[in-house]
Amino acid sequence: AQKVTQAQTEISVVEKEDVTLDCVYETRDTTYYLFWYKQPPSGELVFLIRRNSFDEQNEISGRYSWNFQKSTSSFNFTITASQVVDSAVYFCALSEAGGNKLVFGAGTILRVKS
Amino acid sequence: GAVVSQHPSWVICKSGTSVKIECRSLDFQATTMFWYRQFPKQSLMLMATSNEGSKATYEQGVEKDKFLINHASLTLSTLTVTSAHPEDSSFYICSANRLAGGPGETQYFGPGTRLLVL
Repeated sequence: AQKVTQAQTEISVVEKEDVTLDCVYETRDTTYYLFWYKQPPSGELVFLIRRNSFDEQNEISGRYSWNFQKSTSSFNFTITASQVVDSAVYFCALSEAGGNKLVFGAGTILRVKS
Repeated sequence: GAVVSQHPSWVICKSGTSVKIECRSLDFQATTMFWYRQFPKQSLMLMATSNEGSKATYEQGVEKDKFLINHASLTLSTLTVTSAHPEDSSFYICSANRLAGGPGETQYFGPGTRLLVL
């Protein structure tokens, strides 16, 4: 069965600090897809990244970067030089090759203080 | 691109009434639409998956007669909460995959609908 664990319930940082959000997943499939979504206070989920299981290359997009390690079944998300606007709930999610359903982690609340 | 809208954004209704929520993909055609429910400070719970022109597939524990889903076109899915009760109060979110999207296709989410049943 597939499962996504986000062990950090809530993280508080001061603006300009770097912060890493952890995501550990479980799946029996060799082909699968990992996602990160941001949910600001307004409630709408914003898509951040999609990664398939065959692409372990890390990715950087502006202040965001993702570290995918199959050996540890982790797909961690780092925000560099955090800003107050980064305050939100961040969800990691997994989809297996057999379908399009997403399994979400519990989410991590990120609070960035000025 | 990949914009999904929901209407209404919030609704307050009396117990026993039915509420319809619309989910539209604005700039793409959606093979599949999904309906989620989210309680405060919790993660998203998938309620059902709908494909255009066919019956929705409900997750275990979700009453299909309570939560009616209709996927009338490639850009519109509706969720009707029938005979709503206070325990149905929640944040309902839809998402959509692009047409011709394969396994693992990205889901794009609507802004959600907050339902309060008095």
